[in-house]
Amino acid sequence: GDSVTQMEGPVTLSEEAFLTINCTYTATGYPSLFWYVQYPGEGLQLLLKATKADDKGSNKGFEATYRKETTSFHLEKGSVQVSDSAVYFCALSRTGGNQFYFGTGTSLTVIP
Amino acid sequence: GAVVSQHPSWVICKSGTSVKIECRSLDFQATTMFWYRQFPKQSLMLMATSNEGSKATYEQGVEKDKFLINHASLTLSTLTVTSAHPEDSSFYICSARDPASGMMEYEQYFGPGTRLTVT
Repeated sequence: GDSVTQMEGPVTLSEEAFLTINCTYTATGYPSLFWYVQYPGEGLQLLLKATKADDKGSNKGFEATYRKETTSFHLEKGSVQVSDSAVYFCALSRTGGNQFYFGTGTSLTVIP
Repeated sequence: GAVVSQHPSWVICKSGTSVKIECRSLDFQATTMFWYRQFPKQSLMLMATSNEGSKATYEQGVEKDKFLINHASLTLSTLTVTSAHPEDSSFYICSARDPASGMMEYEQYFGPGTRLTVT
């Protein structure tokens, strides 16, 4: 069945460091891929998405490229800030479907 | 963007009692709402999908008699955990969307979650 495997955390980085959070997926066909972010005490928010192979999603300095050949959707940011401290979830959804498959989440802490 | 609220944010109840969790869409009509469950250090697992005015569709392995879902209005869905036991302790998250508004199927707006502890 469909599933998402996400890099385990927690991850602690210094401000302005480079961030990579790995995400790979298993699915038949062509799912849509997402990164959600959850700040403390808040609901999950859509950070970025890609709906077809080779698409690059980007938002707030974060980027992820839909790589069908490696079934990956790694999240990257060139220079993290303290305000990026949150839990990040990779997810997939089938086109036309309601269900999301989430990874386990990666907690990121950025220290000044 | 669209906002979804949940109430309460945290609840403790005794084993054998029932607890109700509310999920509200604050600025849009949610014809479809979803309930997820998250165990510590695990991913969100979809429990059920509810459409306004109809019965919820439960995922395999979810006890419908234990987790009662009511979606009586376009802005409110409730999840009632009946006869709660310690193993029901978890983080429950709802999400909502309104397909009629043109939202894509992946445009779900999530609530902040409710932490249930059963003692």
